[in-house]
This record gives sequence, structure tokens and C-alpha cells, in this order.
Amino acid sequence: DVKVTQSSRYLVKRTGEKVFLECVQDMDHENMFWYRQDPGLGLRLIYFSYDVKMKEKGDIPEGYSVSREKKERFSLILESASTNQTSMYLCASSPLDHQETQYFGPGTRLLVL
Amino acid sequence: GQQLNQSPQSMFIQEGEDVSMNCTSSSIFNTWLWYKQDPGEGPVLLIALYKAGELTSNGRLTAQFGITRKDSFLNISASIPSDVGIYFCAGRSNYGQNFVFGPGTRLSVLP
Repeated sequence: DVKVTQSSRYLVKRTGEKVFLECVQDMDHENMFWYRQDPGLGLRLIYFSYDVKMKEKGDIPEGYSVSREKKERFSLILESASTNQTSMYLCASSPLDHQETQYFGPGTRLLVL
Repeated sequence: GQQLNQSPQSMFIQEGEDVSMNCTSSSIFNTWLWYKQDPGEGPVLLIALYKAGELTSNGRLTAQFGITRKDSFLNISASIPSDVGIYFCAGRSNYGQNFVFGPGTRLSVLP
């Protein structure tokens, strides 16, 4: 059974803190993605990666960075969390040539106070 | 950037009723996807469409790729309580591009 796991389901942080969200997939997928989900806005792509140590900006990269040191792991970093980064964060992975078959993790609901 | 609109935003239906929802774009797309998100979970792919006019079914779900290539439709027949969730459409203009997601249609099924 394919699986994408995220390190936390719920997270509460204070403004200015550095936040790490971890995502691991066990399907040997090349592509990995980070989205944020907000009511009425759907899913918006923050960053994605096609390979180890490779990253590309998505539609809303400001305030975020990513790290992909191993193929199975893709980390999202909030260098200095702000209240407008309170959101649901979803990680996904897909095979290199089949981006339409993205498998999503359960999400991390982040609250920044 | 590209944006998708989904209609309706939310709907309440009785168990057993059929459901229709749609997704529209200002741009022409060559791939449409429909996802379902159960409460507290990540989205799961339901149906993928690759050709204008294509009609594809997955159990009680049927989706169509609009002939204008600017819209797509999802129908659910004989709804059941486990159909509850948020349905997202997603599309892309060209192979290799990232997908754009719609805001979702939230479906509630009343027993």
C-alpha cells in the first residue's frame, strides 16, 4: 500500500519561530510537492522537487524554503513563521512522468500564534 | 496565473440523490483531474481525463472533459454517506506543467 507520511498532524508555533515540516514517501517517486490548503482557495503549490537536491518554486514560495537531501524525504521550512502562514500543509509525491498521479499525505494543520 | 472556479461551493443532498458539479477555467487545459478529500485526510485521485469530450467512470462517479477544453464535470449517482467530503478539480495546460487546483466543492449527504 503506497504511503506518504507527514511528521505531524497538528502543530502550534509562535510568530518568528523556525518551523520544519517533514514528508516521507515509500514509493521511490522522483517528484515531491508541498501545497498549502486554505478555505475557498483550494491547494496552492509552494515548492516542488524532481530529484534529490533539486527544487523549484511553485506559485507561492515567499516565506518558505525546502530541502531534499534524500529521494524519499522532502522538508518544508518556515524560516520565521508568521500568522498568515497558519494553514493546512499537504505533501504529495508522484512518478517522474506521471504528475497526474499524485499521492497525498494526510496533511499538517499549522497554527501560528 | 491560471485560476479554476468550481460550482457549487457547497451542497447538501439527501442520500440516494444524484450530484453534479463543475469546474471552469479561463485557459484551455489538456488534462483534467478530479480528487476527493475525506475529512482529516489528503486528497485522493478519482478520475483523470486527457481528451476533449472524454467521458470516464469510476464506480458511481462519472467525469467529462468539456469539448471547449475549458471545463470539466463530475457526476455522482445514488449518493451515500461516505461520499461526504471536498471534491477538487485540477487542470494543466501542457504536459510537464504543474497542475492548478480549484477551490473545491464541499458535499454533505443527509441520511
